[in-house]
Amino acid sequence: GNSVTQMEGPVTLSEEAFLTINCTYTATGYPSLFWYVQYPGEGLQLLLKATKADDKGSNKGFEATYRKETTSFHLEKGSVQVSDSAVYFCALSILGGDAGKSTFGDGTTLTVKP
Amino acid sequence: NAGVTQTPKFQVLKTGQSMTLQCAQDMNHEYMSWYRQDPGMGLRLIHYSVGAGITDQGEVPNGYNVSRSTTEDFPLRLLSAAPSQTSVYFCASSRTSGYSYEQYFGPGTRLTVT
Repeated sequence: GNSVTQMEGPVTLSEEAFLTINCTYTATGYPSLFWYVQYPGEGLQLLLKATKADDKGSNKGFEATYRKETTSFHLEKGSVQVSDSAVYFCALSILGGDAGKSTFGDGTTLTVKP
Repeated sequence: NAGVTQTPKFQVLKTGQSMTLQCAQDMNHEYMSWYRQDPGMGLRLIHYSVGAGITDQGEVPNGYNVSRSTTEDFPLRLLSAAPSQTSVYFCASSRTSGYSYEQYFGPGTRLTVT
């Protein structure tokens, strides 16, 4: 089956620190990979995505590269802000087959202190 | 476009009561799903649908019913509410064609069962 493993949280950083949240996956078939962000009291929203190996997704200063050889999709940001405090979910979906169905990691809570 | 809408935003039920959580999307997505989110447990899939008239169970379907009579609507019914169903419920939709199936989430319904 498919699975997504995220680094355990919570993660607490000072403003302007470098962020890495690790994500690895196992998949039957060729996955697309996603990072979603959930701000307090809200639903999840797509942060970035990558659909094939070596693609880099980026948005709002966040980046993640689809590494097929290591089955990873680590999220990075060079300088975090207080407003980045949220829960981050790594996810995958498979082309064809069970189209539309996503597999999510357990989420990583990030708190950024001023 | 409104995207994915959910009603109500908050609900308090007594044990044994029934109710329906509403979900609608205006993006003509084939795939719709319901998740519950509990502290420390990430997102758990309750039921999903790949099109009107087609539904299937996720990993935690007990105590919930769904139907999909139109592409736009995917209501979730709690048959006899229990305190274990206290949670935040999210509806999501996705395309099932193309090469990337990111999920679009509603804002959530926070349910408390006393």
